[in-house]
Amino acid sequence: GNSVTQMEGPVTLSEEAFLTINCTYTATGYPSLFWYVQYPGEGLQLLLKATKADDKGSNKGFEATYRKETTSFHLEKGSVQVSDSAVYFCALSGSNTGKLIFGQGTTLQVKP
Amino acid sequence: GAGVSQSPSNKVTEKGKDVELRCDPISGHTALYWYRQRLGQGLEFLIYFQGNSAPDKSGLPSDRFSAERTGESVSTLTIQRTQQEDSAVYLCASSGTSGYNEQFFGPGTRLTVL
Repeated sequence: GNSVTQMEGPVTLSEEAFLTINCTYTATGYPSLFWYVQYPGEGLQLLLKATKADDKGSNKGFEATYRKETTSFHLEKGSVQVSDSAVYFCALSGSNTGKLIFGQGTTLQVKP
Repeated sequence: GAGVSQSPSNKVTEKGKDVELRCDPISGHTALYWYRQRLGQGLEFLIYFQGNSAPDKSGLPSDRFSAERTGESVSTLTIQRTQQEDSAVYLCASSGTSGYNEQFFGPGTRLTVL
C-alpha cells in the first residue's frame, strides 16, 4: 500500500542555516504530495503541495519538488528563522477521496 | 467560527467506557475526515465522509470505532469500550470537495484512557 517515510528528528539548526527534511514515498499511480506544519500550540496547516511530477511547491520561503524518478519530495529552506520551529509532516494523497497518508513527522528546532 | 472546531479539547476516561468526540467542519465544506495521531507517530486516516455518499471506513482500526455525520455538518466519532491503546489525539479535517483540495484541520481532541 501507499506509504510515506520522513527523516527522523529532531533537527536542530542555528538561525539562517539551510534546511533539508527528506521525504520519500511509495505509491501506485500519480499521487499528490503535501507538506503540513504544526506550530507549537496550533493546529495542523498546509505549507505547500505539488500535484504532478516535476512540480515545485513553495510557500513562506520553503520549497519542495515532486521527483517521480526518486519518489521524493524533500523540503528545503535557504535560511531558517526561529519562528520556523515546528513539526513538519510529509503526506500523500493517492485516491480520489483525498484521504492523506502521513509520514511520522520531523521536529525542527531553530536556535537564535 | 471560521475554522474547524472540535470538542472536547481533552478527554480522560477509564478503560472500558465509551467516548464521543465531536467535529464541526467549516460551513459549506462537503468533505470531512477523521485522523488519529498517536504519540510520536504520524497521523492515521480513520474515516471519510463526502456529502450523502457512503463513508469510506477503511481506516477504522476495529469495530469499536464508529462515526456519523449529519448531512454536511457535524460529525461524531464514537469509541466503545475504550482501551489504553486508543489514547491519542483525534483530528478532524474538512475540505470544500474531495480529491486534491486543501484539508483544514481542527485543533484535535486529546484522549487519554486510564
